[in-house]
Amino acid sequence: ETGVTQTPRHLVMGMTNKKSLKCEQHLGHNAMYWYKQSAKKPLELMFVYSLEERVENNSVPSRFSPECPNSSHLFLHLHTLQPEDSALYLCASSPGLAGGYEQYFGPGTRLTVT
Amino acid sequence: AQTVTQSQPEMSVQEAETVTLSCTYDTSESDYYLFWYKQPPSRQMILVIRQEAYKQQNATENRFSVNFQKAAKSFSLKISDSQLGDAAMYFCAYRSAVIKAAGNKLTFGGGTRVLVKP
Repeated sequence: ETGVTQTPRHLVMGMTNKKSLKCEQHLGHNAMYWYKQSAKKPLELMFVYSLEERVENNSVPSRFSPECPNSSHLFLHLHTLQPEDSALYLCASSPGLAGGYEQYFGPGTRLTVT
Repeated sequence: AQTVTQSQPEMSVQEAETVTLSCTYDTSESDYYLFWYKQPPSRQMILVIRQEAYKQQNATENRFSVNFQKAAKSFSLKISDSQLGDAAMYFCAYRSAVIKAAGNKLTFGGGTRVLVKP
């Protein structure tokens, strides 16, 4: 596997379910990100991790819980979601946090909350 | 806070022709980076081109070039000799060059869908 991978690619869950999204990067990067892409809003940054430490939580509700066990893996744990949380969730990584670094994106997980 | 605006929800171009996508941004910073990302229907977003604000020369990458007007806070993307594979959503994005403890947030515009007609 190369680049940034995400699993599952599609997920349908009820409002009372608990599920997790997984992201893995094979690029040796030190920073990882979660973004939310909704149909009617620009791409929104959710969380930033640098060297496994969370450095940014962009006012995300607590029903989203990120986890970064090592610099290659990033999880987004989901519980008690709302229908408005249905969106494409994108993971990205970059060599570091400096502004000039390119972010490499995964293919995304299409989440539908019923 | 920085904002990025893409005023064209959709643009259509004939194959082999040229199309220009507009992007404006608002910032009080003087040092920053601007990006154009492409998201094809398969959804994996990839970087098309990057511009450093301190460089006056416009960036180019093969058929892709930008027109960076710092005073006007404008950053348009020109796609020359359009190909069917160029059909995608294109996002303009801004990122500060100032190193911050929380990292530098990548702020995206709303996107422009490019349709390429054969």
